[in-house]
Amino acid sequence: SQELEQSPQSLIVQEGKNLTINCTSSKTLYGLYWYKQKYGEGLIFLMMLQKGGEEKSHEKITAKLDEKKQQSSLHITASQPSHAGIYLCGADKAGGSYIPTFGRGTSLIVHP
Amino acid sequence: DSGVTQTPKHLITATGQRVTLRCSPRSGDLSVYWYQQSLDQGLQFLIQYYNGEERAKGNILERFSAQQFPDLHSELNLSSLELGDSALYFCASSRGGTSPGGGYTFGSGTRLTVV
Repeated sequence: SQELEQSPQSLIVQEGKNLTINCTSSKTLYGLYWYKQKYGEGLIFLMMLQKGGEEKSHEKITAKLDEKKQQSSLHITASQPSHAGIYLCGADKAGGSYIPTFGRGTSLIVHP
Repeated sequence: DSGVTQTPKHLITATGQRVTLRCSPRSGDLSVYWYQQSLDQGLQFLIQYYNGEERAKGNILERFSAQQFPDLHSELNLSSLELGDSALYFCASSRGGTSPGGGYTFGSGTRLTVV
């Protein structure tokens, strides 16, 4: 199955700061999802990236897919307390093997 | 409200017991996925059903089983429960059976505590 490694594991930032979360795959990426999870709650779909070089934005959150590096990055500009939560990357195709997998998540705390 | 309904929200049971978790997918979605989330394992895919048929299997223990009914709701049965089965169990749904192409819609989860 596909392994997705996220870094950093946790992040504490001051409100207003920019931050980046990375997701690296052990296998070729054919598509990647980003989700946000409030602590103890369900996952909320943020965006999906399907093509190398593709970049998508959702409010102040931007994600980009680098297929060559088998990596995606999620960037938050001018962070707010409402951005706090756990960010998970997920992928559902890896060289023909269809097992939806997720990274371990990055825990984000934003101090006002 | 995501449209995916999971019941119950919380469940406390003793070791050795059997429980059933229920999931109703979002209207129009044919696939249901079950996940287990724990602190040490992260979010682990258990099993997927598409239109009543098992489509993909992940790290699901033999003590666990699932099914999807004609009305598309799904149940996850956990038996001979152990302390290590304590976790958040999520159900997600999607329109298609392969490469959802828009992401999965997750329910709010069932928190299972085995004592």
